[in-house]
Amino acid sequence: AQSVTQLDSHVSVSEGTPVLLRCNYSSSYSPSLFWYVQHPNKGLQLLLKYTSAATLVKGINGFEAEFKKSETSFHLTKPSAHMSDAAEYFCVVSSPGTGFQKLVFGTGTRLLVSP
Amino acid sequence: ETGVTQSPTHLIKTRGQQVTLRCSSQSGHNTVSWYQQALGQGPQFIFQYYREEENGRGNFPPRFSGLQFPNYSSELNVNALELDDSALYLCASSPGTSRGTGELFFGEGSRLTVL
Repeated sequence: AQSVTQLDSHVSVSEGTPVLLRCNYSSSYSPSLFWYVQHPNKGLQLLLKYTSAATLVKGINGFEAEFKKSETSFHLTKPSAHMSDAAEYFCVVSSPGTGFQKLVFGTGTRLLVSP
Repeated sequence: ETGVTQSPTHLIKTRGQQVTLRCSSQSGHNTVSWYQQALGQGPQFIFQYYREEENGRGNFPPRFSGLQFPNYSSELNVNALELDDSALYLCASSPGTSRGTGELFFGEGSRLTVL
């Protein structure tokens, strides 16, 4: 079964400093991986997705993630944090091959950005 | 283009009651999924509907049921409510076939409190 583990429940950064949110995955075959963001009282928004094309994936708002098969990781990064980046971030793996589309979410990482 | 809309946004029920949550999918999307997000957790897959048929289900009991209508809108029904059913219920839609690419478009959710 597919699963993801988000290694940090909370990450605190200062505005203008780099962001690193860590995610490891477990999958019996080549996975489709995603990062979603959830702002307070808002729905989930797709940041980026990896579907076996380029291993470095660029998303919206300056975020990017690198798929590393040897490390089973899919960490999310951003060079410079902005106050508006404060939100909950979810690493997600898709369960293909089962006849329907099921997303398996990690437990989330809350990103706190201080001025 | 209208996004995914859910109603009601908040509601309070008591144990044993029944609840119906509604979702209008994004224009052109024929697949609808429902997720339960307990406080402090990542969303959990409940089920998916494609062309008015349930074609996938997560680890939820039969008292969780749904419908999809010809216009692709959907309902989630929960019978015999329990305290642990208190959560944010998220609806998501996607285009194309049931297998999809993993990108889901989420509504802002319906927050259910069971007393």
